[in-house]
Amino acid sequence: EVQLVESGGGLVQPGGSLRLSCAASGFTFSGHFMDWVRQAPGKGLEWVGRTRGKADSYTTEYAASVKGRFTISRDDSQNSVYLQMNNLKTEDTAVYYCAGGGYRSGRYFSDYWGQGTLVTVSS
Amino acid sequence: DIQMTQSPSSLSASIGDRVTITCRASQDIATFLAWIQQRPGKAPKSLIYAASSLQSGVPSRFSGSGSGTDFTLTISSLQPEDFATYYCQQFNTYPLTFGGGTKVEIK
Repeated sequence: EVQLVESGGGLVQPGGSLRLSCAASGFTFSGHFMDWVRQAPGKGLEWVGRTRGKADSYTTEYAASVKGRFTISRDDSQNSVYLQMNNLKTEDTAVYYCAGGGYRSGRYFSDYWGQGTLVTVSS
Repeated sequence: DIQMTQSPSSLSASIGDRVTITCRASQDIATFLAWIQQRPGKAPKSLIYAASSLQSGVPSRFSGSGSGTDFTLTISSLQPEDFATYYCQQFNTYPLTFGGGTKVEIK
């Protein structure tokens, strides 16, 4: 059974930092691209960023709203992906999901989703 | 950035109804589109990838079609568990972008 389990959410003050983790199981993690997606309270889904696999040198992509503040990394030996969030703003308050997928039909789609972890940025 | 526009933003339907949701991309995305379901208070779930390919385990009453800029998600016979919000997402170009969502409610 495929599982993605996020952890590390919580309450943090504006300007603070937080590191989220996502532990994967049930699929070949190293061959999958992994995304972070967030959802502010009562709002829609927003893509945060992506990490590619070893074959693509673990390169990353980010949304403009988080570029320069957030960093995605992965540890294939631990089947885990991470989201380091620095200089947090109140507008970063959201449930953060990790998602992942393998290569199919010309792209890496997000086939699997975690249950999410809530990040609240408030003083 | 590629803008994804869904319509309608919400709809009311009855059990057994045929439901159609559309998604329009601001530029050609070939078939690099996915449909995602999110039930109230739950995590998102992938339904369809590559515009028309059903994810494993997804009921056959769900289908997707389209290419280029215009896409459709159809539920052939609405079931109680289908009341949810549906999102399209494009995978053609970074940043990956979502539509605003379509909330399917009980009539």
